[in-house]
Amino acid sequence: DTEVTQTPKHLVMGMTNKKSLKCEQHMGHRAMYWYKQKAKKPPELMFVYSYEKLSINESVPSRFSPECPNSSLLNLHLHALQPEDSALYLCASSQESPNSYEQYFGPGTRLTVT
Amino acid sequence: GQSLEQPSEVTAVEGAIVQINCTYQTSGFYGLSWYQQHDGGAPTFLSYNALDGLEETGRFSSFLSRSDSYGYLLLQELQMKDSASYFCAPPGADSWGKLQFGAGTQVVVTP
Repeated sequence: DTEVTQTPKHLVMGMTNKKSLKCEQHMGHRAMYWYKQKAKKPPELMFVYSYEKLSINESVPSRFSPECPNSSLLNLHLHALQPEDSALYLCASSQESPNSYEQYFGPGTRLTVT
Repeated sequence: GQSLEQPSEVTAVEGAIVQINCTYQTSGFYGLSWYQQHDGGAPTFLSYNALDGLEETGRFSSFLSRSDSYGYLLLQELQMKDSASYFCAPPGADSWGKLQFGAGTQVVVTP
């Protein structure tokens, strides 16, 4: 199984809502990532988890809160978002962060903040 | 700091060969990855060059020259399904575990 799954596929939320994005992989990978991608732009790294511990936070606003409950799951909790946070949110995994050159991406959650 | 440069768009006909160049300036360098992303899809890993030289995977090849801070992705026998964005991405450029994507090259394949 070389698949990374993400739910939901689409999400529309108001600026006062709280929602969560979910990501799951069963490849035994020990590094997991959250990226944000705007239209016609490259993915931008947000967070890296290595062995279930947060290892990189790319100065992401606190309204985005990541969580790694176990080695297969990665969540991104959203609260009080702004319209400019509307984007495609991609989850990825790799064997471990030193081998980050080969990452497996999920299909993404397309988020719209109204 | 670091910078990555690749052309924004390349157009070619089916059956042709396309070369996407990537030049980089990074404070630390471990190698160069390439990813493909179709519109509305997820990035997909294509290849990785840790050492200088050419790596071939089917119709796609990737090349790296560390001395020139330069790499390229070569797409041969272009097919319509190759229309996509292609990103060069050195891993660990700023810190271990981080993958930095270039701006991407949109490849448009015409009949």
